[in-house]
Amino acid sequence: QVQLQESGPGLVKPSQTLSLTCTVSGGSISSGGYYWSWIRQHPGKGLEWIGYIYYSGSTYYNPSLKSRVTISVDTSKNQFSLKLSSVTAADTAVYYCARTERLSSGYPDAFDIWGQGTMVTVSS
Amino acid sequence: DIQMTQSPSSLSASVGDRVTITCRASQGISNYLAWYQQKPGKVPKLLIYAASTLQSGVPSRFSGSGSGTDFTLTISSLQPEDVATYYCQKYNSALLTFGGGTKVEIK
Repeated sequence: QVQLQESGPGLVKPSQTLSLTCTVSGGSISSGGYYWSWIRQHPGKGLEWIGYIYYSGSTYYNPSLKSRVTISVDTSKNQFSLKLSSVTAADTAVYYCARTERLSSGYPDAFDIWGQGTMVTVSS
Repeated sequence: DIQMTQSPSSLSASVGDRVTITCRASQGISNYLAWYQQKPGKVPKLLIYAASTLQSGVPSRFSGSGSGTDFTLTISSLQPEDVATYYCQKYNSALLTFGGGTKVEIK
């Protein structure tokens, strides 16, 4: 059973870079067939997809965040990571990592496995 | 960009009631539509994908329908454990978008 676990600082100062890692267990990122995503949820609000990465390193980002987002993968550690630069209080949210199957079209399927989420607060 | 609009934003119904939530896409997305359930303080859970396919383990009182721009999630007989916020999400392209959510409460 594949499981995902987010890790990283719970507090980030304004203007700094938010860095989170998602560790995948029970399956290998390098086996392919899946996209690995980051999603966030502002307190009391809805879900916002941030971006995803394939094991090969190809990425796709939400255009609204693209200028500040970098998602990378480390297949040797079976992890993928999120970096969000120049953060403000508006980036305070619960950050989830999630998995989607890669469809034959090349597009992602629905999110079938989610991590438990990690709360990140942006404050000085 | 395709926008996903859910209605209502919240509803209150009695145990045993039939509950219907609507999700509308601003452009056609075929059947590339998923529904998620997020209970208070919990992680979102996939209920339905491909507009109408029930994810394994999801109770049969949940059903989905629709294609193109208009979709519905139906709970045939609302149970206390169904109190949650429900989100639709489109995945017909590389750009993934969620609806704003519908909060379901017990009357």
